Amino acid sequence: ILNVEQSPQSLHVQEGDSTNFTCSFPSSNFYALHWYRWETAKSPEALFVMTLNGDEKKKGRISATLNTKEGYSYLYIKGSQPEDSATYLCAFKGNKLVFGAGTILRVKS
Amino acid sequence: NAGVTQTPKFRVLKTGQSMTLLCAQDMNHEYMYWYRQDPGMGLRLIHYSVGEGTTAKGEVPDGYNVSRLKKQNFLLGLESAAPSQTSVYFCASRPANGELFFGEGSRLTVL
Repeated sequence: ILNVEQSPQSLHVQEGDSTNFTCSFPSSNFYALHWYRWETAKSPEALFVMTLNGDEKKKGRISATLNTKEGYSYLYIKGSQPEDSATYLCAFKGNKLVFGAGTILRVKS
Repeated sequence: NAGVTQTPKFRVLKTGQSMTLLCAQDMNHEYMYWYRQDPGMGLRLIHYSVGEGTTAKGEVPDGYNVSRLKKQNFLLGLESAAPSQTSVYFCASRPANGELFFGEGSRLTVL
C-alpha cells in the first residue's frame, strides 16, 4: 500500500499571511508528483505536475518544490487571499496515481 | 469541448440494487480513473484504465466492476449496492505524463 501523507490536515490563516504545507511520498519508483486545488462543491483542478528532483514550479502566488530523493514536496502560498481557501491535494505517480488526504486551507479576511 | 462528464449526478439506491455510473471524456485521453471521496479520507482509487479494453484494480476495488469498451467511456458498476458504498464518486482522465481532468462528481446514497 502506497503511503502518501499530507500535513497539516488543516490550516487557518489570516489574509496576507504566507503559508506552506507538505506532501510526503515513497522515494522509490517515482514518476511524477501532482498538486491539485479543490474548492468546495467543485472538482479538483491541477496546479502542478512535477517530475524532476529539484523542480520548482510557480503559478501566480503559488509555488511548489520537489525532492524525490527524500520523498517530499512543499506547496507555498504567498500573501494568502480568501479565494485561496480550498483543499490542496497531492498525488504520487508510481505504477498508480495515489492521492494524499489533503490539506484544508481556510483564509480569513 | 465538454471535458469529463459523469452521469448520473445524484442517485439513491436500496441495498442490493445495481447501477452503473458512466464517465465520458472528449479529450482523447488514454488513462481514465474512478475515485471515491469520503470525509477525512481524500480520494481513493477504485479502478483505472490505461487504454481501451484494459482495466486494473486500485486501492478499494471490492464491490465494483468497470469496463472500457470505448476509449472515451469508462463505466463503473455496482452489482449489489451496500450502505458502505454511499459516497461521492469522481471520474478523471489524463493524457500520458499529464495532469488529471475531473468530472463534477456523482453523489450516491445507498439506503
